[in-house]
Amino acid sequence: DIQMTQSPSTLSASVGDRVTIACRASQSISSWLAWYQQKPGQAPKLLIYKASSLESGVPSRFSGSGSGTEFTLTITSLQPDDFAAYYCQQYDSYPLTFGGGTKVEIK
Amino acid sequence: QVHLVESGGGVVQPGRSLRLSCAASGFTFSSFGMHWVRQAPGNGLEWVAFIRTDGSNEFYAESVKGRITISRDNSKNTLYLQMSSLRAEDTAVYYCVKGKAMGYYFDYWGQGTLVTVSS
Repeated sequence: DIQMTQSPSTLSASVGDRVTIACRASQSISSWLAWYQQKPGQAPKLLIYKASSLESGVPSRFSGSGSGTEFTLTITSLQPDDFAAYYCQQYDSYPLTFGGGTKVEIK
Repeated sequence: QVHLVESGGGVVQPGRSLRLSCAASGFTFSSFGMHWVRQAPGNGLEWVAFIRTDGSNEFYAESVKGRITISRDNSKNTLYLQMSSLRAEDTAVYYCVKGKAMGYYFDYWGQGTLVTVSS
């Protein structure tokens, strides 16, 4: 199975900050990576697919990069609505696996 | 728009069975692979199972293999998850999830249904 490791697990930031979340795969997954945002009590929401493609309707302050085993999700100018948990997910092979999540908190 | 509505969750004793359903609307159900993803209370996301458009192939997480069966009825636009020999560690919110493109990542999620395995 492909293990996905996210860092940090918790991140404290202020509105307007630039935030970067890392995701590492235990083996190469090419660009077969997605990012999701989850707010408390809600289902996750797709933000990014194929490592860097922005899902329709997602604000352009979200961006993804990377390939192989190293990936990042960047939020430029953090907004109040962005305080949430973020998960990466590989879809290179089954079983599909998620990272452990990164909680973005208000500083 | 796309709607996925899960039902069938509840409290069940260890070793018992439960069947979850997911009613889909707002898209051509038979054209998309479908998944179940679960989330234990306070924990992260765990992919559980996938079924192809015509039900011809299924994949399962190792943690549920042999105890859980995913199925679909395209005539009823409904996805199912039959769970047996339930364990305390199966306690989670179970999400019905639509696959995007080839089906291997997720663009629409239901609101989830809570399964609690407890005596």
